[in-house]
Amino acid sequence: KAGVTQTPRYLIKTRGQQVTLSCSPISGHRSVSWYQQTPGQGLQFLFEYFSETQRNKGNFPGRFSGRQFSNSRSEMNVSTLELGDSALYLCASSLAVAGQETQYFGPGTRLLVL
Amino acid sequence: TQLLEQSPQFLSIQEGENLTVYCNSSSVFSSLQWYRQEPGEGPVLLVTVVTGGEVKKLKRLTFQFGDARKDSSLHITAAQPGDTGLYLCGTDKLIFGTGTRLQVFP
Repeated sequence: KAGVTQTPRYLIKTRGQQVTLSCSPISGHRSVSWYQQTPGQGLQFLFEYFSETQRNKGNFPGRFSGRQFSNSRSEMNVSTLELGDSALYLCASSLAVAGQETQYFGPGTRLLVL
Repeated sequence: TQLLEQSPQFLSIQEGENLTVYCNSSSVFSSLQWYRQEPGEGPVLLVTVVTGGEVKKLKRLTFQFGDARKDSSLHITAAQPGDTGLYLCGTDKLIFGTGTRLQVFP
């Protein structure tokens, strides 16, 4: 079974631009979560989507948004990019089995904002 | 609020040494996962522990979930350079520790 895929893997943008990142979950997984990872802050939860609905949201400004499509694929968008948005953005899909939900991460998109 | 504290933050050891990293919380969790992340890649799931006192072994890695399900440890026996990476503990998807960065020198 194919793992979680993310595109693009690397991205360079300038301040003020916007960016859209894509995530394809493992087949059959309906939950997709997004994280921002930086050396200083570690892994920070952005939001989670389940069946096209945002189920949880982290403490990030409104410039960060996301959506999920009917095939469970998800996108996240960051508008008006700031230098501090440079990070590794990780997507994880999960499937609840017997009450336990385990996340499987994609390789991430490394975003550099200049 | 960071609910999962990992220690140590950094660990640099020689090949063949043993080590233990810790994941502690004041909260009780129904399960806890350990991940290893290599540079430029996403975290890879190593194990999930769900029962208080549970011990799981994965080759040279031994994972333990505390009796009260508030803490966990990862012990590596005879570390190898291939064990180098960032070790993360996490519970439900909202909460991850800041990680232990392990460097094993040949």
